[in-house]
Amino acid sequence: AQSVTQLDSHVSVSEGTPVLLRCNYSSSYSPSLFWYVQHPNKGLQLLLKYTSAATLVKGINGFEAEFKKSETSFHLTKPSAHMSDAAEYFCVVSALRGTGGFKTIFGAGTRLFVKA
Amino acid sequence: DTGVSQNPRHKITKRGQNVTFRCDPISEHNRLYWYRQTLGQGPEFLTYFQNEAQLEKSRLLSDRFSAERPKGSFSTLEIQRTEQGDSAMYLCASSLAPPGAQHFGDGTRLSIL
Repeated sequence: AQSVTQLDSHVSVSEGTPVLLRCNYSSSYSPSLFWYVQHPNKGLQLLLKYTSAATLVKGINGFEAEFKKSETSFHLTKPSAHMSDAAEYFCVVSALRGTGGFKTIFGAGTRLFVKA
Repeated sequence: DTGVSQNPRHKITKRGQNVTFRCDPISEHNRLYWYRQTLGQGPEFLTYFQNEAQLEKSRLLSDRFSAERPKGSFSTLEIQRTEQGDSAMYLCASSLAPPGAQHFGDGTRLSIL
């Protein structure tokens, strides 16, 4: 079985300060992990993905995430928040199922607020 | 890469009417997914296709819902006899075979009067 938990439903930061959005996962098989961002009334945009290569993954717009197998975490970070980063962020896990095929599960999302 | 295209962007209809949405995936992607997203929630999986074959359907996909991908390219999602609870954003995504990342369209927002 697999699951994904985003530990914070809302995160508020000041512009120019670091961003940390937390994600824990569970999976019976080696997972692929993704972070997506969604701006209002838009689809989801891929920020970055981990697929068993380097554990530190760099994405677009200055975001990066570190895959920590021992902690089953895939937290998203950015050194300096920008007003345009205010959006909803989703952590996603995709892994093989015991019955075959892949299953993709989305976290519930974290709303990021950026204060001027 | 022209991205995933969904039409219409918005659909307002009366309860009991049928609606159909269209999704045009990225051309080289063989997998196509449909999701439903309600306000404040993450996307919920509805169904997916590999080429023209519908390989999985969620229990969320009641008998009133049907999806097709007749030639392995674009897909349609039809909802018959719409209900208030069908009001949501319907998202389409496409990908290469796993673990390829899914690329999303901007969705179709359905409002039931």
